[in-house]
Amino acid sequence: EAGVTQFPSHSVIEKGQTVTLRCDPISGHDNLYWYRRVMGKEIKFLLHFVKESKQDESGMPNNRFLAERTGGTYSTLKVQPAELEDSGVYFCASSQTGGSYNEQFFGPGTRLTVL
Amino acid sequence: GDSVTQMEGPVTLSEEAFLTINCTYTATGYPSLFWYVQYPGEGLQLLLKATKADDKGSNKGFEATYRKETTSFHLEKGSVQVSDSAVYFCALLDTGNQFYFGTGTSLTVIP
Repeated sequence: EAGVTQFPSHSVIEKGQTVTLRCDPISGHDNLYWYRRVMGKEIKFLLHFVKESKQDESGMPNNRFLAERTGGTYSTLKVQPAELEDSGVYFCASSQTGGSYNEQFFGPGTRLTVL
Repeated sequence: GDSVTQMEGPVTLSEEAFLTINCTYTATGYPSLFWYVQYPGEGLQLLLKATKADDKGSNKGFEATYRKETTSFHLEKGSVQVSDSAVYFCALLDTGNQFYFGTGTSLTVIP
């Protein structure tokens, strides 16, 4: 079974440009999460989808970030316009629904560099 | 708010050495505690977990015990291998199912 995949693996853009990151969760996983690790710091939660609905977007840093999950399958995270402080590794994770705890399976991450 | 503090790296050890990576947490309620590992070029993988006080999580020779009295979840391995070289993240899952991660500790094991 394929794991969580993310595209691209690495993106280098200039300040002010737009970048769109994509995450494909494990098939059948209703929950999809985005996280970010800024250089040398902790991994921080950004938001959580349940199917196509945003369950929790309390971690989104500002309105330059837009996440979508149309159809409840893959998700995109767009940064527009990108700023220097947006550089970091963006992780996506997915999990099933039901029970008290369902393991989150993480993708390899997308390394974003804003110059 | 909830948070995790873990030992800063990088850590370099010789093969077969003993490993300890310290992790302490701050949380309201009764969180679950985790160690995740990221091998080069791969995603985060769950290494072990503990869901209540005094539980011990173990996997691949690694162990960690949930200590409520010291709010700690230190990762240990008796004899590390070169293949253990990776970045290790301590994390807590709060009662609202939100993860809080530490900053990660890079481990390099040399032959």
